[in-house]
Amino acid sequence: SQQGEEDPQALSIQEGENATMNCSYKTSINNLQWYRQNSGRGLVHLILIRSNEREKHSGRLRVTLDTSKKSSSLLITASRAADTASYFCATAFLNAGGTSYGKLTFGQGTILTVHP
Amino acid sequence: DGGITQSPKYLFRKEGQNVTLSCEQNLNHDAMYWYRQDPGQGLRLIYYSQIVNDFQKGDIAEGYSVSREKKESFPLTVTSAQKNPTAFYLCASSTAGYNEQFFGPGTRLTVL
Repeated sequence: SQQGEEDPQALSIQEGENATMNCSYKTSINNLQWYRQNSGRGLVHLILIRSNEREKHSGRLRVTLDTSKKSSSLLITASRAADTASYFCATAFLNAGGTSYGKLTFGQGTILTVHP
Repeated sequence: DGGITQSPKYLFRKEGQNVTLSCEQNLNHDAMYWYRQDPGQGLRLIYYSQIVNDFQKGDIAEGYSVSREKKESFPLTVTSAQKNPTAFYLCASSTAGYNEQFFGPGTRLTVL
């Protein structure tokens, strides 16, 4: 089963508004990553936050990580119509045996629609 | 240009046929991955390879096979044993470790 669960499943906002997406997971992680997917295309990496980090910024993106609650959020500020896409969180979970080294587990994604 | 390519973009297959999806990368990445995506769903890991000549099953490996004879290439074969193969298939690569993955543009497979 997928480790990451995202909320909401869909989000519809107006241009200029902020968009917040949440991700929860179940086991200890090495890092958590956010990806974007335009319809019918491959995924594009947005940002990676490590388990010892609490907040990270990249342009209009702000990611937070709360390991005690096993949750993360992605904030897109001043959204644009071009931000319309699906957004996925992916967790790189820890495995002492090493068999999951490098593997990512993806959530089901949040579909963001930004109206002009 | 460095990147990861997949071919073909669209693939149609008759029931009972095996098909092979191509994935090539020139990023000098050690690790490569195959995912399956169904409509409105996230990605599920089929197979992954951390190094040449070695690969491991992911969460949904049944009905699929892979090879990793070269660092640059990680082809996926969808066999006739795969009960519901119609899906969008994504290949990715990364450096070793818990790092970001770079994705190809995907192959959409439809079984007729």
